[in-house]
Amino acid sequence: KAGVTQTPRYLIKTRGQQVTLSCSPISGHRSVSWYQQTPGQGLQFLFEYFSETQRNKGNFPGRFSGRQFSNSRSEMNVSTLELGDSALYLCASSTLGHSGNTIYFGEGSWLTVV
Amino acid sequence: EDKVVQSPLSLVVHEGDTVTLNCSYEVTNFRSLLWYKQEKKAPTFLFMLTSSGIEKKSGRLSSILDKKELFSILNITATQTGDSAVYLCAEPNFGNEKLTFGTGTRLTIIP
Repeated sequence: KAGVTQTPRYLIKTRGQQVTLSCSPISGHRSVSWYQQTPGQGLQFLFEYFSETQRNKGNFPGRFSGRQFSNSRSEMNVSTLELGDSALYLCASSTLGHSGNTIYFGEGSWLTVV
Repeated sequence: EDKVVQSPLSLVVHEGDTVTLNCSYEVTNFRSLLWYKQEKKAPTFLFMLTSSGIEKKSGRLSSILDKKELFSILNITATQTGDSAVYLCAEPNFGNEKLTFGTGTRLTIIP
């Protein structure tokens, strides 16, 4: 059974550009969450989707957005990139979308903004 | 807001030593607590502790949950260099999958 797959794995963008990251959850998993990880802030929750609906959103500006498709795949978008957006972006999936389920992470997308 | 605190922030021990990592939490509507190991990539799942499963063990790793005192510990016995990693504990919010993470404990095993 394939794990959580994220693409691209590494990317470099320029300030002001926008970026789209993709996540394919484990087959059968309907909940997809996104996290940003930086050395200074640790792992911070961005948003969570379940059955194509955003159920929860972290404390990030509106430049960060996401969506989930009918096949549970998810994308997140960051517009008007800033240097501080450089981070590891992690996607996680779980089965039923309620606490108590094991949550599995993808390998992450390393974003560098220059 | 839910809060998860881990200690120590970093730990350096020699191969073969036993280590204990700590995680305390302040959450409403506790459901479970998760432990992850993160090397230079994605966090990999170790244990999930719930009200009905307060002790877990896998090989040299074990974890206990104390619901009364609101903390959990992760024990690693006979440490190996491959145990070097950041260990994270996290608590999922009630009713959804938002995980609140601790800052992590960076464990370094010296050969």
